Amino acid sequence: EAGVAQSPRYKIIEKRQSVAFWCNPISGHATLYWYQQILGQGPKLLIQFQNNGVVDDSQLPKDRFSAERLKGVDSTLKIQPAKLEDSAVYLCASSLSSTGYNSPLHFGNGTRLTVT
Amino acid sequence: KQEVTQIPAALSVPEGENLVLNCSFTDSAIYNLQWFRQDPGKGLTSLLLIQSSQREQTSGRLNASLDKSSGRSTLYIAASQPGDSATYLCAVRRRNDKLIFGTGTRLQVFP
Repeated sequence: EAGVAQSPRYKIIEKRQSVAFWCNPISGHATLYWYQQILGQGPKLLIQFQNNGVVDDSQLPKDRFSAERLKGVDSTLKIQPAKLEDSAVYLCASSLSSTGYNSPLHFGNGTRLTVT
Repeated sequence: KQEVTQIPAALSVPEGENLVLNCSFTDSAIYNLQWFRQDPGKGLTSLLLIQSSQREQTSGRLNASLDKSSGRSTLYIAASQPGDSATYLCAVRRRNDKLIFGTGTRLQVFP
């Protein structure tokens, strides 16, 4: 079974620039998550999709972050404009369950973003 | 607000030792608890998932226990090996709510 694919692996941008991350979940997984992991901390949920609908985006800074999941498969996360404090690893995860609450999460390797 | 704490933050042990990693959470009304492993530069790998009605789960040399009433979980690793070196994170979930992660325990097992 192919895992969760993310690209790019690394990205360096200057503050106020924009950046986009891409995620392809495991085939058949209904639920997709984007997490932000700041160095030395545990991951923090930014947004959760069930198929192509948003379930939880309560911790997404909506003034600068946006995400979409077209056709209930791939997803993109965008930051515009970036701030220094956005430097982190952005992790995508997926789970089989349509509710996402009772199945293990499978994570991609993440995108490490550095904002200078 | 649910808070998850992991102690110790870092641990270094010789190969072959049995060890225990601790996770505590402030709100005992959880739906399930998961333990993850994270290798440097990698994503998280799910190790064990314990439902709120369960007391423990086992996978190979790993055993995770859950005591909801006291807000604690432990991950027991038997006969540790250098390949076990990684950061271990626990995460708790309330019903219909997001996973809340701890900050992790960084484990190093030396030969």
